[in-house]
Amino acid sequence: DGGITQSPKYLFRKEGQNVTLSCEQNLNHDAMYWYRQDPGQGLRLIYYSQIVNDFQKGDIAEGYSVSREKKESFPLTVTSAQKNPTAFYLCASSRTGAGDEKLFFGSGTQLSVL
Amino acid sequence: AQSVTQPDIHITVSEGASLELRCNYSYGATPYLFWYVQSPGQGLQLLLKYFSGDTLVQGIKGFEAEFKRSQSSFNLRKPSVHWSDAAEYFCAVVSTNAGKSTFGDGTTLTVKP
Repeated sequence: DGGITQSPKYLFRKEGQNVTLSCEQNLNHDAMYWYRQDPGQGLRLIYYSQIVNDFQKGDIAEGYSVSREKKESFPLTVTSAQKNPTAFYLCASSRTGAGDEKLFFGSGTQLSVL
Repeated sequence: AQSVTQPDIHITVSEGASLELRCNYSYGATPYLFWYVQSPGQGLQLLLKYFSGDTLVQGIKGFEAEFKRSQSSFNLRKPSVHWSDAAEYFCAVVSTNAGKSTFGDGTTLTVKP
């Protein structure tokens, strides 16, 4: 079945450590997105990419980095510069990135700070 | 800039009762509008979407939504709620020229037996 796979499901970060969240899709979608979700809040866009080797900052990109070396993969690194990283992180994709397309979501990664 | 407001943080309804979840948006033109549902610890699933044309749109699981331009609203409705509908519901607006989604803060639905 086609879909989006996020791993790990749960991740713990120590102070000063960088951690990387994996997102893989086999839907052949061009566009991929990373969202952060905090309790009682909606999703906030961190980064998005509409084509391989290109990506743009979203609304809350500070303390995060991404790469898009392959169409099917869009890993997110939470750097030590992100002072409040505890949140639920969701990866999504859409066919071309056009506004009228629905987003397909992964099952998320819960990141916590030790 | 586009924005979305979901005025109700939490709604409780009895099983079999009707449901309406409110969504108001701010955008300069007619945007693309979406409703998504999220079960605990999971990603979001699309319920329905509106682009143009008929202002009453049908979605999955018996949900429908009505776009009202004069009120800048896109409220989600269901005539008879089932216990399995308990979840968090998000309204999203997408600008027609940028493709970036803006989500509301969500409404948590609890269904009483």
